[in-house]
Amino acid sequence: GQSLEQPSEVTAVEGAIVQINCTYQTSGFYGLSWYQQHDGGAPTFLSYNALDGLEETGRFSSFLSRSDSYGYLLLQELQMKDSASYFCAVKGGATNKLIFGTGTLLAVQP
Amino acid sequence: ETGVTQTPRHLVMGMTNKKSLKCEQHLGHNAMYWYKQSAKKPLELMFVYSLEERVENNSVPSRFSPECPNSSHLFLHLHTLQPEDSALYLCASSPQGQGGGELFFGEGSRLTVL
Repeated sequence: GQSLEQPSEVTAVEGAIVQINCTYQTSGFYGLSWYQQHDGGAPTFLSYNALDGLEETGRFSSFLSRSDSYGYLLLQELQMKDSASYFCAVKGGATNKLIFGTGTLLAVQP
Repeated sequence: ETGVTQTPRHLVMGMTNKKSLKCEQHLGHNAMYWYKQSAKKPLELMFVYSLEERVENNSVPSRFSPECPNSSHLFLHLHTLQPEDSALYLCASSPQGQGGGELFFGEGSRLTVL
C-alpha cells in the first residue's frame, strides 16, 4: 500500500525559515507534490518533484530524495499569511493516483 | 478563484434525506475527482472520472453515487448517509493523466449528517 508521514503541527515566527518533512512508502513512484490549504479554503498546488534535488519557486522550495523516500517543503521569510495546512502527496502506486498525507498545520507567530 | 466551483458550500441533512453535491470546472480539463476530507485524516480519494468515464472507485459505499454528464460537471448524489459521513467533500480537476501531480480543487462542500 501507500502511506505518507508528516508532522502534525509546526510553529515558527515571522521572517524565519521552516522545513516541513514528508516520508513516504509506495509501490511505484512518479513524484511528490505539495499543497497549501488555508482554513475554509481549497487546497492549492505549490510544487511537484519527480527527480531528486531542490526546486525553488520564490519563497518556497521543495526537495526530493527518491533513494530515501523523503522530501521536504522549505518556506523562507515567513509571513503571517503562510499560516495554513501543508499536505504532501505522492503520485504512484498501481493506479498512478495522487495519495495525500494528513497535513502539517503551520502557525506563524508575530 | 481556482476555476473549480462547488455548490452548496454547506449542507445539513438527515439520514433519510437525498441530496446532491455539484462541481463545475472552467479549466478545460478532462479528469475530475471527488475527495473526502475529515479532521486529522488524509484526503481520501473517492472517485475519478476521465473523459466522463469512471476510472476509479475507491471502495466507496453505495450510498455515495457519482455522476459525470460531461467533462465540465461532476455530481455526488447522497442518500441514507450516516453521521460518520460528515466531512468536507472536495472536487478537483486536472488535465487528463494528472500530468505533474497538479490538481485544481474547489473550496469544498461541508456536509453535516444528523
